[in-house]
Amino acid sequence: GAVVSQHPSWVICKSGTSVKIECRSLDFQATTMFWYRQFPKQSLMLMATSNEGSKATYEQGVEKDKFLINHASLTLSTLTVTSAHPEDSSFYICSAPRTNIQYFGAGTRLSVL
Amino acid sequence: GQQVMQIPQYQHVQEGEDFTTYCNSSTTLSNIQWYKQRPGGHPVFLIQLVKSGEVKKQKRLTFQFGEAKKNSSLHITATQTTDVGTYFCAGLMNYGGATNKLIFGTGTLLAVQP
Repeated sequence: GAVVSQHPSWVICKSGTSVKIECRSLDFQATTMFWYRQFPKQSLMLMATSNEGSKATYEQGVEKDKFLINHASLTLSTLTVTSAHPEDSSFYICSAPRTNIQYFGAGTRLSVL
Repeated sequence: GQQVMQIPQYQHVQEGEDFTTYCNSSTTLSNIQWYKQRPGGHPVFLIQLVKSGEVKKQKRLTFQFGEAKKNSSLHITATQTTDVGTYFCAGLMNYGGATNKLIFGTGTLLAVQP
């Protein structure tokens, strides 16, 4: 089946630093990828839609200057959390659709100290 | 905005008992998908329902899509400890462009006591 790889799986950083998360579709091409954030015991909240070769589409309330998304190739999307603060600590998950089914990466647990 | 709600939020059952989670959308859905997320893990696709009134079965799991395509349910018969996790429905919504967005329900956490 389709596989999506996400890296890193866990990151701890100091407040004010930036963190980059990578999402790769390993055996298929994805012109669109999605980034979600999940707080403990809550559902997945869609943050943005990453579009290959063009600007990402952000959901209402998500700061595009804070969460930079780049989709430079058909198999790679990156999410950079800029100037991270403790309130950005969360579980970030990417997904890539293939025939309307979403295949999820394993997620990145971000802890900002 | 569009909302997808699930009830109950949490269900604790004895092994062998049945379990049902209900999913309701404020808008009509193109299709509904169900995912299972184990504690500490990521969502794993279970099934997709497309047609109004559709019913699909996977072993002990039965999925239904409502006639109005605004609600769905997942029923597990004779739960096992391996069924533990959070079950999410997710509605595929078309925003008028080329991209469909998957909006996740609030989830139901299932705990199974041996």
